Amino acid sequence: ETGVTQTPRHLVMGMTNKKSLKCEQHLGHNAMYWYKQSAKKPLELMFVYNFKEQTENNSVPSRFSPECPNSSHLFLHLHTLQPEDSALYLCASSQDGQGGSYEQYFGPGTRLTVT
Amino acid sequence: GQSLEQPSEVTAVEGAIVQINCTYQTSGFYGLSWYQQHDGGAPTFLSYNALDGLEETGRFSSFLSRSDSYGYLLLQELQMKDSASYFCAVRDQDTDKLIFGTGTRLQVFP
Repeated sequence: ETGVTQTPRHLVMGMTNKKSLKCEQHLGHNAMYWYKQSAKKPLELMFVYNFKEQTENNSVPSRFSPECPNSSHLFLHLHTLQPEDSALYLCASSQDGQGGSYEQYFGPGTRLTVT
Repeated sequence: GQSLEQPSEVTAVEGAIVQINCTYQTSGFYGLSWYQQHDGGAPTFLSYNALDGLEETGRFSSFLSRSDSYGYLLLQELQMKDSASYFCAVRDQDTDKLIFGTGTRLQVFP
């Protein structure tokens, strides 16, 4: 595997379900990010992890819970989501000491549909 | 805070030149980046302007003017494969976060 991988690629879940999104980067980077991409809206930064420490939580509802067990893996745990949470969830990584590198490498995303 | 505006859609024909503009309101940033995203694909990094002026990378060039709060991506010798969405982004000087623009969908016709 190369670059940034994400699983699953597609996910349909009910509002009462609990699921997790997984991201893995094979680039040796030290920062990882979760973004939400909704139709006709800019990419929204959700969480930043730098050196495995969460450095940013962009006022994201608590029904989204990130986990970063090491610098190569990032999870997004989902529970009791709402239909408006349906979107493409993108993971990214960068080599950066501050957590906001201008050159980020993105995974293919997970298309989430909440029913 | 930062906000970056882009045209929502641009169309052009193969072989043509197209310019995608990005205007921003910002209190301070380190530089302007551009990303390309094909339908169903991941955003991929294209270019970065740390300083004012033109940066050229093959058929793509990017320009930044801090005094005019304006930048653009110039695509030359357009090909069908260039049909994609293009996003500008700035690294906020206060928060160090990457803030993305609204995105421009480019459609290239034969």
